[in-house]
Amino acid sequence: QVQLQESGPGLAKPSGTLSLTCSVSGGSIDNHYWSWIRQTPGRGLEWIGYISYGGTTNYNPSLKSRVIFSVDRPRNQFSLSLSPMTAADAALYYCARVIVVAPSFWYFDLWGRGALVAVSS
Amino acid sequence: DIQMTQSPSSLSASVGDRVTITCRASQNINNFLNWYQQKPEKAPYLLITAASTLQGGIPSRFSGSGSGTDFTLTINSLQPEDFATYYCQQSHSVPFTFGRGTMVEIK
Repeated sequence: QVQLQESGPGLAKPSGTLSLTCSVSGGSIDNHYWSWIRQTPGRGLEWIGYISYGGTTNYNPSLKSRVIFSVDRPRNQFSLSLSPMTAADAALYYCARVIVVAPSFWYFDLWGRGALVAVSS
Repeated sequence: DIQMTQSPSSLSASVGDRVTITCRASQNINNFLNWYQQKPEKAPYLLITAASTLQGGIPSRFSGSGSGTDFTLTINSLQPEDFATYYCQQSHSVPFTFGRGTMVEIK
Protein backbone atom coordinates (compact mmCIF):
# COMPACT_ATOMS: atom_id res chain seq x y z
CA GLN A 1 0.00 0.00 0.00
CA VAL A 2 1.58 3.22 -1.15
CA GLN A 3 1.78 5.97 1.45
CA LEU A 4 3.05 9.53 1.30
CA GLN A 5 4.48 11.47 4.22
CA GLU A 6 5.42 15.12 4.26
CA SER A 7 8.27 16.31 6.45
CA GLY A 8 9.89 19.62 7.14
CA PRO A 9 9.91 22.52 9.57
CA GLY A 10 6.57 23.76 10.75
CA LEU A 11 7.80 27.33 10.91
CA ALA A 12 9.38 29.49 8.24
CA LYS A 13 10.68 33.06 8.50
CA PRO A 14 9.36 35.87 6.33
CA SER A 15 11.67 36.22 3.32
CA GLY A 16 13.14 32.84 4.19
CA THR A 17 12.95 29.50 2.40
CA LEU A 18 10.51 26.68 3.01
CA SER A 19 11.81 23.20 2.30
CA LEU A 20 9.47 20.23 2.44
CA THR A 21 10.07 16.63 1.50
CA CYS A 22 7.57 13.95 0.60
CA SER A 23 8.64 10.38 1.26
CA VAL A 24 6.94 7.65 -0.72
CA SER A 25 6.69 4.23 0.92
CA GLY A 26 5.16 0.97 -0.22
CA GLY A 27 5.81 1.75 -3.86
CA SER A 28 8.23 3.37 -6.28
CA ILE A 29 8.40 7.00 -7.21
CA ASP A 30 9.17 5.86 -10.74
CA ASN A 31 6.66 6.07 -13.55
CA HIS A 32 4.51 8.61 -11.76
CA TYR A 33 3.98 12.31 -11.50
CA TRP A 34 3.89 13.95 -8.07
CA SER A 35 2.31 17.17 -6.90
CA TRP A 36 2.32 19.64 -4.09
CA ILE A 37 -1.00 21.21 -3.09
CA ARG A 38 -1.63 23.62 -0.28
CA GLN A 39 -4.75 24.52 1.64
CA THR A 40 -5.75 27.62 3.55
CA PRO A 41 -9.09 28.75 4.94
CA GLY A 42 -8.92 31.83 2.74
CA ARG A 43 -7.84 30.39 -0.61
CA GLY A 44 -8.98 26.80 -0.28
CA LEU A 45 -7.02 24.14 -2.17
CA GLU A 46 -4.28 25.53 -4.39
CA TRP A 47 -2.26 23.37 -6.77
CA ILE A 48 1.40 24.36 -6.57
CA GLY A 49 2.75 22.18 -9.36
CA TYR A 50 3.95 18.75 -10.36
CA ILE A 51 7.20 16.94 -10.97
CA SER A 52 7.71 13.71 -12.85
CA TYR A 53 9.95 10.93 -11.66
CA GLY A 54 12.33 12.06 -14.38
CA GLY A 55 12.37 15.63 -13.12
CA THR A 56 9.99 17.33 -15.54
CA THR A 57 8.18 20.13 -13.76
CA ASN A 58 5.16 22.33 -14.25
CA TYR A 59 4.40 25.06 -11.75
CA ASN A 60 1.36 27.16 -11.04
CA PRO A 61 2.13 30.53 -12.69
CA SER A 62 1.11 32.26 -9.47
CA LEU A 63 4.07 30.65 -7.69
CA LYS A 64 6.43 29.84 -10.54
CA SER A 65 8.96 32.55 -9.73
CA ARG A 66 9.37 31.31 -6.16
CA VAL A 67 9.08 27.53 -6.24
CA ILE A 68 11.43 24.71 -7.17
CA PHE A 69 10.65 21.01 -7.10
CA SER A 70 13.22 18.24 -7.08
CA VAL A 71 13.10 14.46 -7.07
CA ASP A 72 15.43 11.96 -5.40
CA ARG A 73 14.75 8.60 -6.97
CA PRO A 74 17.19 6.54 -4.85
CA ARG A 75 15.55 7.85 -1.69
CA ASN A 76 12.05 7.63 -3.18
CA GLN A 77 11.41 11.24 -2.25
CA PHE A 78 10.51 14.50 -3.86
CA SER A 79 10.83 17.98 -2.45
CA LEU A 80 9.52 21.51 -2.57
CA SER A 81 11.44 24.72 -2.03
CA LEU A 82 9.54 28.00 -1.76
CA SER A 83 11.31 31.32 -1.42
CA PRO A 84 10.97 34.03 -0.35
CA MET A 85 8.24 33.14 2.10
CA THR A 86 5.52 35.59 3.04
CA ALA A 87 2.67 35.45 5.50
CA ALA A 88 0.40 34.44 2.65
CA ASP A 89 2.35 31.18 2.28
CA ALA A 90 1.22 29.91 5.69
CA ALA A 91 -0.80 26.84 4.85
CA LEU A 92 -1.26 23.11 5.15
CA TYR A 93 0.99 21.61 2.48
CA TYR A 94 0.07 18.27 0.94
CA CYS A 95 2.03 16.04 -1.37
CA ALA A 96 0.01 13.87 -3.70
CA ARG A 97 0.45 11.28 -6.40
CA VAL A 98 -0.79 12.27 -9.82
CA ILE A 99 -2.34 9.73 -12.14
CA VAL A 100 -2.10 10.67 -15.80
CA VAL A 101 -4.55 8.74 -17.92
CA ALA A 102 -4.48 10.92 -21.00
CA PRO A 103 -3.83 14.53 -21.96
CA SER A 104 -6.07 16.61 -19.67
CA PHE A 105 -7.19 13.54 -17.73
CA TRP A 106 -5.19 13.81 -14.52
CA TYR A 107 -6.18 13.28 -10.93
CA PHE A 108 -4.71 13.05 -7.44
CA ASP A 109 -5.28 9.55 -6.16
CA LEU A 110 -3.11 9.47 -3.04
CA TRP A 111 -2.38 12.26 -0.59
CA GLY A 112 -0.07 12.68 2.36
CA ARG A 113 -1.46 13.73 5.71
CA GLY A 114 -0.21 17.26 5.24
CA ALA A 115 2.41 19.48 6.84
CA LEU A 116 1.26 22.64 8.59
CA VAL A 117 3.55 25.58 7.92
CA ALA A 118 3.41 28.87 9.80
CA VAL A 119 5.30 32.00 8.82
CA SER A 120 6.75 34.13 11.58
CA SER A 121 9.95 35.85 12.57
CA ASP B 1 -6.94 30.09 -14.99
CA ILE B 2 -10.16 28.10 -15.07
CA GLN B 3 -12.38 29.12 -12.17
CA MET B 4 -14.43 26.40 -10.48
CA THR B 5 -17.55 27.58 -8.68
CA GLN B 6 -19.31 25.22 -6.30
CA SER B 7 -22.75 25.65 -4.84
CA PRO B 8 -23.96 25.67 -2.26
CA SER B 9 -21.00 26.46 -0.03
CA SER B 10 -22.68 24.49 2.73
CA LEU B 11 -25.84 22.54 3.30
CA SER B 12 -27.59 20.77 6.14
CA ALA B 13 -29.10 17.39 5.54
CA SER B 14 -30.37 14.39 7.42
CA VAL B 15 -29.32 10.77 7.22
CA GLY B 16 -31.19 9.22 4.33
CA ASP B 17 -31.53 12.44 2.36
CA ARG B 18 -30.49 12.87 -1.23
CA VAL B 19 -27.86 15.60 -1.64
CA THR B 20 -26.84 17.39 -4.82
CA ILE B 21 -23.75 19.57 -5.16
CA THR B 22 -23.02 21.53 -8.29
CA CYS B 23 -19.74 22.66 -9.79
CA ARG B 24 -19.46 25.11 -12.66
CA ALA B 25 -16.33 25.74 -14.69
CA SER B 26 -15.56 29.14 -16.16
CA GLN B 27 -14.94 27.51 -19.55
CA ASN B 28 -15.56 24.21 -21.26
CA ILE B 29 -13.55 21.46 -19.56
CA ASN B 30 -15.21 18.53 -21.36
CA ASN B 31 -15.44 15.87 -18.66
CA PHE B 32 -12.05 16.49 -17.05
CA LEU B 33 -13.57 16.95 -13.63
CA ASN B 34 -12.76 15.10 -10.41
CA TRP B 35 -14.48 15.06 -7.03
CA TYR B 36 -12.87 14.69 -3.62
CA GLN B 37 -14.20 14.25 -0.09
CA GLN B 38 -12.40 15.79 2.86
CA LYS B 39 -13.15 15.07 6.49
CA PRO B 40 -11.86 17.23 9.35
CA GLU B 41 -8.12 16.85 9.96
CA LYS B 42 -7.79 14.53 6.96
CA ALA B 43 -6.46 14.91 3.45
CA PRO B 44 -8.85 15.00 0.50
CA TYR B 45 -9.91 11.60 -0.77
CA LEU B 46 -10.62 10.84 -4.39
CA LEU B 47 -14.23 9.89 -5.12
CA ILE B 48 -14.93 10.36 -8.81
CA THR B 49 -12.83 10.98 -11.92
CA ALA B 50 -13.79 12.08 -15.41
CA ALA B 51 -17.01 13.54 -14.07
CA SER B 52 -18.75 10.22 -13.50
CA THR B 53 -16.31 7.34 -12.89
CA LEU B 54 -16.59 6.12 -9.35
CA GLN B 55 -13.29 5.09 -7.84
CA GLY B 56 -12.87 1.61 -6.43
CA GLY B 57 -14.32 1.16 -2.98
CA ILE B 58 -16.55 4.22 -3.18
CA PRO B 59 -20.16 3.37 -2.34
CA SER B 60 -22.62 3.40 -5.21
CA ARG B 61 -24.76 6.01 -3.46
CA PHE B 62 -22.22 8.50 -4.83
CA SER B 63 -22.60 9.51 -8.45
CA GLY B 64 -21.35 12.23 -10.71
CA SER B 65 -22.60 13.70 -13.94
CA GLY B 66 -22.09 16.55 -16.34
CA SER B 67 -19.83 17.76 -19.09
CA GLY B 68 -18.74 21.04 -20.55
CA THR B 69 -19.15 23.58 -17.79
CA ASP B 70 -21.78 22.14 -15.46
CA PHE B 71 -21.28 19.17 -13.17
CA THR B 72 -23.13 17.51 -10.33
CA LEU B 73 -22.18 15.28 -7.43
CA THR B 74 -25.14 13.39 -5.96
CA ILE B 75 -25.22 11.41 -2.77
CA ASN B 76 -28.25 9.17 -2.50
CA SER B 77 -29.38 8.18 0.99
CA LEU B 78 -26.82 10.19 2.93
CA GLN B 79 -24.99 8.18 5.56
CA PRO B 80 -23.37 9.43 8.79
CA GLU B 81 -19.88 8.93 7.33
CA ASP B 82 -20.73 11.19 4.38
CA PHE B 83 -20.75 14.37 6.43
CA ALA B 84 -17.70 16.12 5.06
CA THR B 85 -16.57 18.78 2.63
CA TYR B 86 -16.63 18.00 -1.08
CA TYR B 87 -14.40 19.59 -3.71
CA CYS B 88 -14.41 19.54 -7.48
CA GLN B 89 -11.17 19.88 -9.44
CA GLN B 90 -10.53 20.39 -13.14
CA SER B 91 -7.63 18.84 -15.01
CA HIS B 92 -8.47 20.25 -18.43
CA SER B 93 -5.57 22.69 -18.25
CA VAL B 94 -2.87 23.86 -15.92
CA PRO B 95 -2.95 25.31 -13.42
CA PHE B 96 -5.24 22.63 -12.06
CA THR B 97 -7.88 24.36 -9.97
CA PHE B 98 -10.33 23.37 -7.26
CA GLY B 99 -13.72 24.60 -6.23
CA ARG B 100 -14.01 26.25 -2.82
CA GLY B 101 -15.85 23.28 -1.42
CA THR B 102 -19.30 22.33 -0.19
CA MET B 103 -19.63 21.42 3.46
CA VAL B 104 -22.31 18.82 4.13
CA GLU B 105 -23.47 19.13 7.73
CA ILE B 106 -25.87 17.18 9.87
CA LYS B 107 -29.30 18.75 10.20
